[in-house]
Amino acid sequence: QVQLQESGPGLVKPSETLSLTCSVSGGSISTYYWNWIRQHPGKGLEWIGFIYKSESTNYSPSLKSRVTISADTSRNQFSLKLTSVTAADTAIYYCARGGEYTTSPYDYWGQGTLVTVSS
Amino acid sequence: AIQMTQSPSSLSASVGDRVTITCRASQGIRGDVAWYQQKPGRAPKLLIYAVFSLQSGVPSRFSGSGSDTDFTLTISSLQPEDFATYFCLQDYLYPPTFGQGTKVEIK
Repeated sequence: QVQLQESGPGLVKPSETLSLTCSVSGGSISTYYWNWIRQHPGKGLEWIGFIYKSESTNYSPSLKSRVTISADTSRNQFSLKLTSVTAADTAIYYCARGGEYTTSPYDYWGQGTLVTVSS
Repeated sequence: AIQMTQSPSSLSASVGDRVTITCRASQGIRGDVAWYQQKPGRAPKLLIYAVFSLQSGVPSRFSGSGSDTDFTLTISSLQPEDFATYFCLQDYLYPPTFGQGTKVEIK
């Protein structure tokens, strides 16, 4: 059974960098697509980006200038960095597994972690 | 980006009702449409992928259909555990985009 768990600070100051890690068990991040998705409070879902085979990445055009997704295969983790955050980046952040050869669907999700941007 | 317009935004239904939720894409898309169920405080759960393929472990009362721009999630007989919010997803064209959600409430 694949399990994902997000971790990282729940509070980030404006203009700083949001950093989250997704720890994966029950499967290797060297295969499949691994995604970050966020949900603003009470709102819909927004895809942030993915990493594939630990090195190939793709990002949402609206966030591309601020996002980096990377992987640590030795720890079976992948990470999200979002720079220059504002209150608009306050959201629940999920990591999710995509397909083995296709970017979706997202079949396994972490429980999500709420990140609040505030001074 | 492709917009997925979901309707209705909310609905009230009774146990045993047949429920239909629709997503309309802003342009024609192939078959990369999925449906998710989300309960309060929980992560989304995959129900349907590739338009009509049922995810393993999901009850058969859930079904998906559609093509081109119009896609539908149907719950054939609503059960108490089905009261939740449902989202569609298109991953045919980059970037992947979700519908805004349909909240299914108890009548």
